[in-house]
Amino acid sequence: GESVGLHLPTLSVQEGDNSIINCAYSNSASDYFIWYKQESGKGPQFIIDIRSNMDKRQGQRVTVLLNKTVKHLSLQIAATQPGDSAVYFCAEQKTSYDKVIFGPGTSLSVIP
Amino acid sequence: DTGVSQDPRHKITKRGQNVTFRCDPISEHNRLYWYRQTLGQGPEFLTYFQNEAQLEKSRLLSDRFSAERPKGSFSTLEIQRTEQGDSAMYLCASTRGESQETQYFGPGTRLLVL
Repeated sequence: GESVGLHLPTLSVQEGDNSIINCAYSNSASDYFIWYKQESGKGPQFIIDIRSNMDKRQGQRVTVLLNKTVKHLSLQIAATQPGDSAVYFCAEQKTSYDKVIFGPGTSLSVIP
Repeated sequence: DTGVSQDPRHKITKRGQNVTFRCDPISEHNRLYWYRQTLGQGPEFLTYFQNEAQLEKSRLLSDRFSAERPKGSFSTLEIQRTEQGDSAMYLCASTRGESQETQYFGPGTRLLVL
């Protein structure tokens, strides 16, 4: 859903199902895109990244897709587990060691 | 635990007081970043250091904010004359600064200004 004020978009999934979290980024000049996971009371934790010259990258249970034409980034989590419940942020950088520019978060809730 | 530590983890202060936060990055990391995160939002960049040199400051970093990294290791972020709008989570991150090197974030310092 839409985020209004302090309300994060929320995605609820059943344990074992696949999750897809979407994000639109703003800067065509960004070369590096990252997904972070943030649990309550903790700092953001790196999940996976992708360079602008790639369309897809896979990790363990996670896949990131990049569509530069429409400036869209998505994170797919396979076989979602309760431990995946957190806020997920997409982020971009001009270079891999530049400041990180975070997008809006999505709260993922996994139903056991 | 990423290896980046921050102290204190929580700070409650009265408006007008000064506060100082500390960040200890991963030991071989020469780049250190400060971010601020308000409730329901993603972190926003404040400033960063390469070794002891402060190379970039965001316009979010008003004159009341100052950051240092005197020996190129730990860093401090000071807020003078705190205001209620300063209430936020202050995050520190570090990286070696090499190509394709991710930033590792600390647990943050949560500041509440009453």
